[in-house]
Amino acid sequence: GAGVSQSPRYKVTKRGQDVTLRCDPISSHATLYWYQQALGQGPEFLTYFNYEAQPDKSGLPSDRFSAERPEGSISTLTIQRTEQRDSAMYRCASSQLAVSYEQYFGPGTRLTVT
Amino acid sequence: EDKVVQSPLSLVVHEGDTVTLNCSYEVTNFRSLLWYKQEKKAPTFLFMLTSSGIEKKSGRLSSILDKKELSSILNITATQTGDSAIYLCAVAKTGNQFYFGTGTSLTVIP
Repeated sequence: GAGVSQSPRYKVTKRGQDVTLRCDPISSHATLYWYQQALGQGPEFLTYFNYEAQPDKSGLPSDRFSAERPEGSISTLTIQRTEQRDSAMYRCASSQLAVSYEQYFGPGTRLTVT
Repeated sequence: EDKVVQSPLSLVVHEGDTVTLNCSYEVTNFRSLLWYKQEKKAPTFLFMLTSSGIEKKSGRLSSILDKKELSSILNITATQTGDSAIYLCAVAKTGNQFYFGTGTSLTVIP
């Protein structure tokens, strides 16, 4: 596609519910990243994929967070049993190669947990 | 603990002024340093720096890395209102983790 897209753009959910966020990277891009960005802060690394492989999950804050990229293109980030502290902007970025480091960011999903 | 610190946190200047934004880092397994501009939507890539002392330039923006001082600066000359944004610094580690600073919020007033 022309750029990185994410859906939904906004999500309001009640505490305890599960949510799934979607990222559609630029079609030629091998590497996909997920970040959490709190208001007034920079993006915080969660995890990344090289195609469908997920070499690093170290940034995921708890085992309630999981991500998939089963066919090496679209990725989902799932948060189970959401808590209020999960409220943030969730950003996805992609890059052509892991070594290029030039990441293209999507518009983000603003998650609010009430 | 790995960290990236940016200063100042915010800056207000007049059009035409020159600004210098700072980024310092303490990161193991450093690979490169990147600058992004974040307006209302997503951060957009500006520069990637891997070698010390080599200036990268794009129009009125330039940046340089000092690996000895573990820092980088981003200069913007002849600022315009369209330069108003949050400027983010990020450090990439080997292993593909990225650490972002909290950003410098720049406001350029006419």
